Amino acid sequence: SAVISQKPSRDICQRGTSLTIQCQVDSQVTMMFWYRQQPGQSLTLIATANQGSEATYESGFVIDKFPISRPNLTFSTLTVSNMSPEDSSIYLCSVSGTANTEAFFGQGTRLTVV
Amino acid sequence: AQSVTQLGSHVSVSEGALVLLRCNYSSSVPPYLFWYVQYPNQGLQLLLKYTSAATLVKGINGFEAEFKKSETSFHLTKPSAHMSDAAEYFCAVRAGANNLFFGTGTRLTVIP
Repeated sequence: SAVISQKPSRDICQRGTSLTIQCQVDSQVTMMFWYRQQPGQSLTLIATANQGSEATYESGFVIDKFPISRPNLTFSTLTVSNMSPEDSSIYLCSVSGTANTEAFFGQGTRLTVV
Repeated sequence: AQSVTQLGSHVSVSEGALVLLRCNYSSSVPPYLFWYVQYPNQGLQLLLKYTSAATLVKGINGFEAEFKKSETSFHLTKPSAHMSDAAEYFCAVRAGANNLFFGTGTRLTVIP
């Protein structure tokens, strides 16, 4: 299993500002993902964080709005840029090994934009 | 492409009654299937997983699920509900991709 530390756990931000969320894993992992969970809804994949190269974004998500870094195999950041109230969500970091293993999740970052 | 459909966004059961949460999947390749639970203000915790071994999978907290290929289903059950089971439950599939695709979730309420 993997232990994931995600910071901050929650934040209230002003519209137009940016927030960077950190994800630290206690072991080296191949795959890291960022999900968004809007209020009362399921999880939607934002992007796959690739070590040493640009993140792979899902349809509807762009790098300018959600820049991602992954400098090594244990750490990644997600920035939510130029925030609006519609960005109020829980953002979750996830890691997994191979396809037949489960994904582990951080506790999430609960973001409120006012 | 793969997807998951969870029937019933809300399920209520009495304490001690059977819990049945439904999940149907769609996949063009053999899938790996997962059930996660999310308690209020917490992240997701794995309940159980199917990875092409035994079709009846036992998980934590007395939950189990059966993979039925003919029905493309992976329903979650527990013989006797406990108050502590009240939470949001997500079915997820991974097939031919690295990431998980989640269902819309089922909120379980346990009535004392």
